[in-house]
This record gives sequence, structure tokens and C-alpha cells, in this order.
Amino acid sequence: AQKVTQAQTEISVVEKEDVTLDCVYETRDTTYYLFWYKQPPSGELVFLIRRNSFDEQNEISGRYSWNFQKSTSSFNFTITASQVVDSAVYFCALSSREYGNKLVFGAGTILRVKS
Amino acid sequence: NAGVTQTPKFRVLKTGQSMTLLCAQDMNHEYMYWYRQDPGMGLRLIHYSVGEGTTAKGEVPDGYNVSRLKKQNFLLGLESAAPSQTSVYFCASRRLAGGETQYFGPGTRLLVL
Repeated sequence: AQKVTQAQTEISVVEKEDVTLDCVYETRDTTYYLFWYKQPPSGELVFLIRRNSFDEQNEISGRYSWNFQKSTSSFNFTITASQVVDSAVYFCALSSREYGNKLVFGAGTILRVKS
Repeated sequence: NAGVTQTPKFRVLKTGQSMTLLCAQDMNHEYMYWYRQDPGMGLRLIHYSVGEGTTAKGEVPDGYNVSRLKKQNFLLGLESAAPSQTSVYFCASRRLAGGETQYFGPGTRLLVL
């Protein structure tokens, strides 16, 4: 089975706070890919990052960072010093050969950043 | 490059009417997908295509048909719309290799009354 769980339905923070969005995945495959997408209020889906199962190095891009831990099947996303423009729905997704390389999405986390 | 485009952006249908949603990509991607997004449920795969002339069912295919007559276009049809098909529809495309990133269109809002 292939599954992505984003347990946090909604998070509210005040501007400049750090916030972490959790993502837990399930797959039997040893080769898989994890993704994060952002959906701002305008509605489009914006690709943020892709990580393959063989690369557990954490990644930082500006205020964004991602922590991939195979031992806990997690791929968490942290925004440092959050800004109002970070307000969006964030989706974690998984693809693997087991599932024909199709994407399976989590339900999404709504992030509200207040000024 | 326009990337992935979708037509129309918004549509209102009456129950039983039919319509076709058009997705076009200019990135020469082999794979194309149709998803629907409903509140609290993330995106669910309706149908997909691994190349021109081929289509396959996804997670929620009932009530929809698709066609991929040209590599750059992927059509989603609703033969007899139902209120349960009220949703936001997204098209996506990606290159052939496994694990490649899917790039999404801007979405189509469909309201079925």
C-alpha cells in the first residue's frame, strides 16, 4: 500500500515564527520519491522539492528546509521566520514503482500566517 | 513556455449535461494526468496517460472518460454531469523517467447544479 499522512489539518502562526509541517509516508518499495507542493490562495499548485529515497541529506532553500528520515518514514518541511506570503495549503506526495510511479497525495496542511 | 494550460478556468453545468476539459502542455512530456481536488481530501487521480493514444484509470475514474490523440493534449470528458462531480480539476504532466516531477496546470473549477 502507498499512503501519505499529513496529520496537521491546519496550523496558525504569527509572522516570524518558525513552523514545521509533518509528513509521514508508507510504501513497500525501496525506490521512491517524495515531493512537497504549495497551493497559495490563488489556487495553482507550485512544486517545491523532490527527494529520492537514496538521498537522506537534508535540504535548505532560503527560509525553507526539509528533513527526510527513512527510519521514521517522515519528510517534514520547516519554514523559518514565516511570512504572510507563506499562507497556503501544503501538500506532501509520494511516488514509487510499486504504484506505477503515480503520485499519491496527503490531504494537505493549511498554513495561516498572521501579521 | 506556457507549461501546462487548462481550458476553461470555470464552468457551471446542469445535472446531465456533458462537457470536455482540455489540458495542453508544451514541454514534450510523455505522461499526463487528470486529478480532482475536493476539500480535505488532497488530490485524487482520475485518469492518466503514458503516451499518445494510451490512457489508464486512476483512483476515481467513474463518470469520466479521457482521450490523448496528440502528445501535447489530454482531454477529460464528463458525459452526464452529476453534482458529485463538482470539484476543482487539475491536469499535470511529467517526463518519462520514474520519479520525475509532475507540473500542474492552473485548474478548472466545475460546479454542477
